[in-house]
Amino acid sequence: DAGVTQSPTHLIKTRGQQVTLRCSPKSGHDTVSWYQQALGQGPQFIFQYYEEEERQRGNFPDRFSGHQFPNYSSELNVNALLLGDSALYLCASSFWATKGGNQPQHFGDGTRLSIL
Amino acid sequence: SQQGEEDPQALSIQEGENATMNCSYKTSINNLQWYRQNSGRGLVHLILIRSNEREKHSGRLRVTLDTSKKSSSLLITASRAADTASYFCATGGAGSYQLTFGKGTKLSVIP
Repeated sequence: DAGVTQSPTHLIKTRGQQVTLRCSPKSGHDTVSWYQQALGQGPQFIFQYYEEEERQRGNFPDRFSGHQFPNYSSELNVNALLLGDSALYLCASSFWATKGGNQPQHFGDGTRLSIL
Repeated sequence: SQQGEEDPQALSIQEGENATMNCSYKTSINNLQWYRQNSGRGLVHLILIRSNEREKHSGRLRVTLDTSKKSSSLLITASRAADTASYFCATGGAGSYQLTFGKGTKLSVIP
């Protein structure tokens, strides 16, 4: 049973560039959430996708956007990269039907993004 | 913004001792979850406790929840070197999938 997979594992970009991160949810899951984790901090919620639509969004600027595909996989796009965007980006998957957080979220190992 | 605050920020114990971590949060919740994160890896779910529950056990883990004080504790009994990791509490609100995490407690278990 495949868990959540993310690619790439590491990425180095320069300020002003754009980046796309990818996530495949755990088999059977239909909802994908993205989190940003700065060094030494807890993860912060970016947004969540279900049925190919953004359902919830955290306190992140419009430079952060996403997409969900019919097979439930998802992409996170960040434009006009800033030094402060350097972080571990985590993808988590779950079931929409049990909304209310009554089940755990399954996380991938993340993409380490470094901005030079 | 962070919802929860874990205490202590760092904890170092000998193998075989018990480890207790605390979490405080600010707003009403539907549930509270604890996660473990090994260095450079993703988060692994440990245990979920609902707002109408007071205590829950899973193997060597014991979690308590006091909604009147907006606080929770995680107890790891008979710790092992493999328990060395960062531990995060996360709260889930009603009608929301979003988890709001604290800053974590870094646990070191010395063999």
